[in-house]
Amino acid sequence: NAGVTQTPKFQVLKTGQSMTLQCAQDMNHEYMSWYRQDPGMGLRLIHYSVGAGITDQGEVPNGYNVSRSTTEDFPLRLLSAAPSQTSVYFCASSYSGDSSGYFGPGTRLTVT
Amino acid sequence: GENVEQHPSTLSVQEGDSAVIKCTYSDSASNYFPWYKQELGKGPQLIIDIRSNVGEKKDQRIAVTLNKTAKHFSLHITETQPEDSAVYFCAATYSSASKIIFGSGTRLSIRP
Repeated sequence: NAGVTQTPKFQVLKTGQSMTLQCAQDMNHEYMSWYRQDPGMGLRLIHYSVGAGITDQGEVPNGYNVSRSTTEDFPLRLLSAAPSQTSVYFCASSYSGDSSGYFGPGTRLTVT
Repeated sequence: GENVEQHPSTLSVQEGDSAVIKCTYSDSASNYFPWYKQELGKGPQLIIDIRSNVGEKKDQRIAVTLNKTAKHFSLHITETQPEDSAVYFCAATYSSASKIIFGSGTRLSIRP
């Protein structure tokens, strides 16, 4: 199993550009989430999904969109990048709400 | 909603000594408490977890204790080694929850 994979590993965007961060898992997990981690800070939940076709907002959803058309994939879209979105983004998946989460390696995003 | 507080934010211990990180949670329905270790440049990885039907769990040098009455749980690392230096996150969730709530993290440094 590859586990949770994220692409790209690094990305530089100009203010106003849009892009999609990719996340995929091959463990048949229903639950998937996106977090951002800023320097010296913890993990802040952006969006999450409890299954294909179901998504919901976390604590910092503004400026981001998600969709979940398949169990395996959970892409995160930045609609119009802003410098405040410079961060490291982690995708995670788990079998259920009360089971351990598996994290991807992260995408380091810089917005200039 | 659930809130998880974690202390201390930074911890420095001499190699070979023990380290303790403490977390409290607010939702009495929480029944699953994982701990994650995040090394520099990597995603968090599960190191140990505990469910509410047990009070303590041990895995080699790592142990976790849970006090349901007081709503707090702790991570204990004995005989610390340089490779234990990392950021540690506690978390809490419950069976019908759709997301895991993380603490703010503890940066553990092991002094040689």
